[in-house]
Amino acid sequence: EVQLLESGGGMAQPGGSLRLSCTGSGFTFSSFALSWVRQAPGKGLEWVSGISGAGGRTFYAASVKGRFTISRDNSKNTLFLQMKSLRAEDTAVYHCAKDVYGSGSYLDGFNVWGQGTMVTVSS
Amino acid sequence: QSVLTQPPSVSAAPEQKVTMSCSGSSSNVENNYVSWYQQLPGTAPKLLIYDDSKRPSGTPDRFSGSKSGTSATLGITGLQTGDEAEYYCGTWDSSLSAYVFGSGTKVTVL
Repeated sequence: EVQLLESGGGMAQPGGSLRLSCTGSGFTFSSFALSWVRQAPGKGLEWVSGISGAGGRTFYAASVKGRFTISRDNSKNTLFLQMKSLRAEDTAVYHCAKDVYGSGSYLDGFNVWGQGTMVTVSS
Repeated sequence: QSVLTQPPSVSAAPEQKVTMSCSGSSSNVENNYVSWYQQLPGTAPKLLIYDDSKRPSGTPDRFSGSKSGTSATLGITGLQTGDEAEYYCGTWDSSLSAYVFGSGTKVTVL
């Protein structure tokens, strides 16, 4: 079964940092682009960042560019999101999501989602 | 404000049909494939339609997707109470080099 499992969420103060992880199983991890998608309480979906299968291409939403860094370790089937300079508006459930295809030149859509990990930014 | 525009809500009686739109521009909907996601209350989103109109295995054929120009449409026939959910469209935006979602449409079965 294809699965994604996030971890690393929790509370952080404004200006603080957190590192999220997402472990994949049941598919050839390095063959697919992966993304982080967040959902603030009571709000809609917001794509945050994506990375190609080999890790050579990264993409960011304007709202997090310069503050968040996406990376992956294909030897450990793990995706990361390093979040710095956190703001209250970053409070959300963060899902990792697997791309439908493996092109890596852009993102095609997401056919597997993790259950998410909650990030709360508050003083 | 979302790059893709969706109506906030649609509703219909059981067994009826609903459609919902996703309006964008030439940098996203018109020239890139659109996906549709279903999010049941308290759960992670699920891919319903990809490549404008393809159904992943597990998506009933009651769900259909189409696209014309800068607008995409999701249709649901034979509406069931289990279809009550939030539906999001999403696609790549070539100008932003980012994936964008619509604001979501809530489907209510009357």
